[in-house]
Amino acid sequence: QVQLQESGPGLVTPSETLSLTCTVSGGSISSNYWSWIRQSPGKGLEWIGYVHYNGNTNYNPFLQSRVTISLDTSKNQFSLKLRSVTAADTAVYYCARNQWLPHDVFNFWGQGTMVTVSS
Amino acid sequence: EIVLTQSPGTLSLSPGERATLSCRASQSVDYNHIAWYQQKPGQAPRPLMYGASIRAAGIPDRFSGSGSGTDFTLTISRLEPEDFAVYYCQQYGSSVTFGPGTKVDIK
Repeated sequence: QVQLQESGPGLVTPSETLSLTCTVSGGSISSNYWSWIRQSPGKGLEWIGYVHYNGNTNYNPFLQSRVTISLDTSKNQFSLKLRSVTAADTAVYYCARNQWLPHDVFNFWGQGTMVTVSS
Repeated sequence: EIVLTQSPGTLSLSPGERATLSCRASQSVDYNHIAWYQQKPGQAPRPLMYGASIRAAGIPDRFSGSGSGTDFTLTISRLEPEDFAVYYCQQYGSSVTFGPGTKVDIK
């Protein structure tokens, strides 16, 4: 059974960079597509983007200018960086595994990590 | 961007009753690439259905999905106590977007 676990700071200062890591266990990151999704009271669930084990990425057009998703196969991890954050980026951030496709149902999720943007 | 609208916003029902949840897309969803999720407080969304009508692994057969084009439905044939939760639809036919959710609560 694949398991995912998010980690990273719970508080980020406005204008700084939000950085999160997702550690995958019970399966190799060298297959499938891996995504970040966030959830806030104001905007609901929002897909941020994905990374494929071959390094290909695709991002939500509304966030594309500020987002980088990368993976580290040696650590079985993938990461999210969101630059120039504002209070609107306050949300629970989830990492997830796509079932098969670049855009797909997410069949495994991490438990989520709350990130607050505040000074 | 495909915008998903879910109705009703809240559905108040009793255990044993039938729940019918609607998800409408602003344009036709390619290949009926619609998924449904269940979310309980403090938990990640749990996948229920994909391809509009295919149950995810381990999902009981009281859950069923239907629809095509722009109109999709999730039906829970007889509500169990553990089914009271928020339900989201998601389209993955053109990028990925989610609906705002329908809360199913106990009447």
